[in-house]
Amino acid sequence: DAKTTQPPSMDCAEGRAANLPCNHSTISGNEYVYWYRQIHSQGPQYIIHGLKNNETNEMASLIITEDRKSSTLILPHATLRDTAVYYCIVRVAERGSTLGRLYFGRGTQLTVWP
Amino acid sequence: DGGITQSPKYLFRKEGQNVTLSCEQNLNHDAMYWYRQDPGQGLRLIYYSQIVNDFQKGDIAEGYSVSREKKESFPLTVTSAQKNPTAFYLCASRTLSGRGAGELFFGEGSRLTVL
Repeated sequence: DAKTTQPPSMDCAEGRAANLPCNHSTISGNEYVYWYRQIHSQGPQYIIHGLKNNETNEMASLIITEDRKSSTLILPHATLRDTAVYYCIVRVAERGSTLGRLYFGRGTQLTVWP
Repeated sequence: DGGITQSPKYLFRKEGQNVTLSCEQNLNHDAMYWYRQDPGQGLRLIYYSQIVNDFQKGDIAEGYSVSREKKESFPLTVTSAQKNPTAFYLCASRTLSGRGAGELFFGEGSRLTVL
């Protein structure tokens, strides 16, 4: 099941902000939105997550719309090292269990150019 | 340093042979996962485990087996029944409590090529 929709690719100039959109129109009230990124042939790396409010950490900012049906990951000053596949994930709770699966789609390939 | 370690990083095997991929974590995480990734694709869940001596099938468990005899270890065996075993395999772990409960920590992956 695809829980999220992301554009397959985006590009951004070095030093500019990269804004990566994600649609999750069927999100439930208690489901979090997570963002990970994967540099080629490495394991994915956690970036940020949120429920309702906007979140910011040292890597990025996460903006979630009021209806929670979409979100945007913002890399404020993109560098060449930010070139990676970015995954937007909704945490799905297993029925009868606290263990939630995380479904990874194909993500967005972000290319930062000099 | 705490982390999650997969080995080997690269593995070549002949068709019909079973292969075991190692995954060890020293993060004291409760849950561990195995994902498979094919070129240009997202990650697909093979097996996961929430507690020692217990595990559940993911979306593509056929042809794979796992064990969870210790909290730190979650090895994956790719059996000869797996039709297309050549892939990049990723192990991950996470805690199940607290605000960070959803954050998955991944290993560096194991790339299996079946000749």
